Amino acid sequence: GENVEQHPSTLSVQEGDSAVIKCTYSDSASNYFPWYKQELGKRPQLIIDIRSNVGEKKDQRIAVTLNKTAKHFSLHITETQPEDSAVYFCAASRRNFGNEKLTFGTGTRLTIIP
Amino acid sequence: NAGVTQTPKFQVLKTGQSMTLQCAQDMNHNSMYWYRQDPGMGLRLIYYSASEGTTDKGEVPNGYNVSRLNKREFSLRLESAAPSQTSVYFCASSEKGRLNTEAFFGQGTRLTVV
Repeated sequence: GENVEQHPSTLSVQEGDSAVIKCTYSDSASNYFPWYKQELGKRPQLIIDIRSNVGEKKDQRIAVTLNKTAKHFSLHITETQPEDSAVYFCAASRRNFGNEKLTFGTGTRLTIIP
Repeated sequence: NAGVTQTPKFQVLKTGQSMTLQCAQDMNHNSMYWYRQDPGMGLRLIYYSASEGTTDKGEVPNGYNVSRLNKREFSLRLESAAPSQTSVYFCASSEKGRLNTEAFFGQGTRLTVV
């Protein structure tokens, strides 16, 4: 099955600086890579995703890059703000008909230092 | 729309007791999931249902059973609870296919087994 590794497990950055979280996956057939943000005591919520036919995707201050050859993808947050403090999870799945299972990384606790 | 609703939000069980966690979604999704979240372990898939009447084991199915009662509801049952099942449980749902692939999570159930 799929295995997703995520690094680092904790990350502290000064407000206004950039944060980068990296993930690797093992199943070369995986073709969908979402990122979820989980605030303390809340449910995970999708913040951005990328499909395997795209190398990069941006949404305001967040971006995700995908390197299919190396089987890794990264989340980039620029101009970090206190509200970016949360746990972030990467995930991977093989979006074939009937198989939608998401395999998650172990999470990165991001702390923004004011 | 309520999205994905889980009950209960909190539960304390004694070792050996049984209970059922309920989950319902009103987004007409075909796929539903049960995950458990433990510190440092990320979100691990317990069971998955691709459609009404079908269920598949995930990464950590031992000690659990599931029922996909209809398209809306997917329940998780602990027949004989053990302290190792102390965790936060999340139900999620998503649509099949290449589009609309976001997984929506319930608010979670915090279960403690003593």
